[in-house]
Amino acid sequence: EDKVVQSPLSLVVHEGDTVTLNCSYEVTNFRSLLWYKQEKKAPTFLFMLTSSGIEKKSGRLSSILDKKELSSILNITATQTGDSAIYLCAVFPRRGRDDKIIFGKGTRLHILP
Amino acid sequence: DAGITQSPRHKVTETGTPVTLRCHQTENHRYMYWYRQDPGHGLRLIHYSYGVKDTDKGEVSDGYSVSRSKTEDFLLTLESATSSQTSVYFCAISGGGTEYYEQYFGPGTRLTVT
Repeated sequence: EDKVVQSPLSLVVHEGDTVTLNCSYEVTNFRSLLWYKQEKKAPTFLFMLTSSGIEKKSGRLSSILDKKELSSILNITATQTGDSAIYLCAVFPRRGRDDKIIFGKGTRLHILP
Repeated sequence: DAGITQSPRHKVTETGTPVTLRCHQTENHRYMYWYRQDPGHGLRLIHYSYGVKDTDKGEVSDGYSVSRSKTEDFLLTLESATSSQTSVYFCAISGGGTEYYEQYFGPGTRLTVT
């Protein structure tokens, strides 16, 4: 059965710390991995990763995919209270008609001022 | 922001009544999805559509039906609402015409069944 597992489930750090969130997956015919940030509303798209070893970066956030290890990490440097959110990892296992994305349960990140 | 709207945004209904949630997109994307999100369960797929009149079940489809008569609209119906269907419902779309594409979410509908 296809699955996506995120760790840790929750994390509390102080403002200014660096955090690393993990996502591992077991899917058939992997196509892409996506990261989302969810505050008190709908998830907002952060990154899409398709190739191993190529880092995607946006400000203090960065992410990289390791297809050999079937995993991805999301790094946030110099965290701010506004980074407090649930971070979701999702995988598109195949293309075509059966295009069902699979979500992990998320990592709840809380940044203390 | 992707052009996705959901209606209503909030609804309170009684057990046993039918409820229909609407998702409307202006992006002409092929795929549309309905999820529910509950504490401890994350996002769970209810139904999805891969084209007009083409739909399939997700992991939590019992008690729900969907219809897609136009590319832009995807309706989710609870035939007889139960308290276990109290949740936040998100619609999402994907399929922008390239090989790799993201999935974008609507603002959500908070449904309470009393």
